[in-house]
Amino acid sequence: DGGITQSPKYLFRKEGQNVTLSCEQNLNHDAMYWYRQDPGQGLRLIYYSQIVNDFQKGDIAEGYSVSREKKESFPLTVTSAQKNPTAFYLCASRGQNRGGNEQFFGPGTRLTVL
Amino acid sequence: GIQVEQSPPDLILQEGANSTLRCNFSDSVNNLQWFHQNPWGQLINLFYIPSGTKQNGRLSATTVATERYSLLYISSSQTTDSGVYFCAVGPGTYKYIFGTGTRLKVLA
Repeated sequence: DGGITQSPKYLFRKEGQNVTLSCEQNLNHDAMYWYRQDPGQGLRLIYYSQIVNDFQKGDIAEGYSVSREKKESFPLTVTSAQKNPTAFYLCASRGQNRGGNEQFFGPGTRLTVL
Repeated sequence: GIQVEQSPPDLILQEGANSTLRCNFSDSVNNLQWFHQNPWGQLINLFYIPSGTKQNGRLSATTVATERYSLLYISSSQTTDSGVYFCAVGPGTYKYIFGTGTRLKVLA
């Protein structure tokens, strides 16, 4: 089945540690995205990538880093510089579907800093 | 930057009732999507609708781009419709801005 997978589903981190969240898609989409969602809030854009080896900062990029070495993969690293990393992280890809360029989302990773 | 406002913020309905959710945006957009976030956090695509009207079963949506708003209609609501409904707009080609959502609870 085509889709977007994220791993792990739950992640616990000690303060001061970097962690990497995985996002893989087999939809052959060029564009990929990372969002952060805090409880009761909407989604905020961290980084996005239009094409392999290229990415742009979103609205809240500080304390995060990404890479896009393969079309299928867009991992997100939450660094120790991120002051409040506990949140729900959602990955998306975007491509042609039903006549429009839609975003599709993975199931998310819940990160908790202990 | 572009502002996206959704109303109402919270909505409680009895099963079988109809409802209208609204998304206002402050500038012209090239892309607009409606999503349903279920209780497990999964975002489910409802409509890609930068303009015009679409229907899918009990759900329909209308975007009036010239007046900068979109409406999502839910008819004969069911308990499984509960969750948060988000509008996301894209002023350019790639970047999207999400509204703060409408939290819907449907009572049996």
